[in-house]
Amino acid sequence: DTAVSQTPKYLVTQMGNDKSIKCEQNLGHDTMYWYKQDSKKFLKIMFSYNNKELIINETVPNRFSPKSPDKAHLNLHINSLELGDSAVYFCASSQPTGGIQYFGAGTRLSVL
Amino acid sequence: DAKTTQPNSMESNEEEPVHLPCNHSTISGTDYIHWYRQLPSQGPEYVIHGLTSNVNNRMASLAIAEDRKSSTLILHRATLRDAAVYYCTERDTGNQFYFGTGTSLTVIP
Repeated sequence: DTAVSQTPKYLVTQMGNDKSIKCEQNLGHDTMYWYKQDSKKFLKIMFSYNNKELIINETVPNRFSPKSPDKAHLNLHINSLELGDSAVYFCASSQPTGGIQYFGAGTRLSVL
Repeated sequence: DAKTTQPNSMESNEEEPVHLPCNHSTISGTDYIHWYRQLPSQGPEYVIHGLTSNVNNRMASLAIAEDRKSSTLILHRATLRDAAVYYCTERDTGNQFYFGTGTSLTVIP
């Protein structure tokens, strides 16, 4: 079984739409993360979340919101998509918080 | 704010050692230095981490400067499968980690 899985793998959508990316981890970790990777391979943290605390990178627009139905899932909702949101989004998890992170395979988002 | 700096790219011949440098001058005294690598079209994967002493595992070695402001990831014998982007990371505020753009390693047959 894949430790951290994301769906979908590819997402193509129009500007202004709302979309979600799902992430599930079966490692029993308490902390999950979302990262954005741009075309130059710059990998940037967006959120880190455990059952106690959500930490938001201050540069992330409030159109992006993480939602966690339970400890094993951290979904990413994006409202009013813009061209600049096109990137690869990675989910990760770790135990403990700040420890070794395990990444999903990524979701390539293309906004047209 | 945390920030690591790495060369954008490096090349190595196959079967030769590779030394990938990283500066992390803002690292705090209690935070570990982590290294990850990202193979083409995959998510990053953990390579190694350390605090003060040099570390070895089956994938690589990590040499940490005495002042902890820099470190070097050592691949003892580069293979074609080692071609990837290598990131050194340090903790930023809270649970956030700074990755940056990493070093793209090309291995020449």
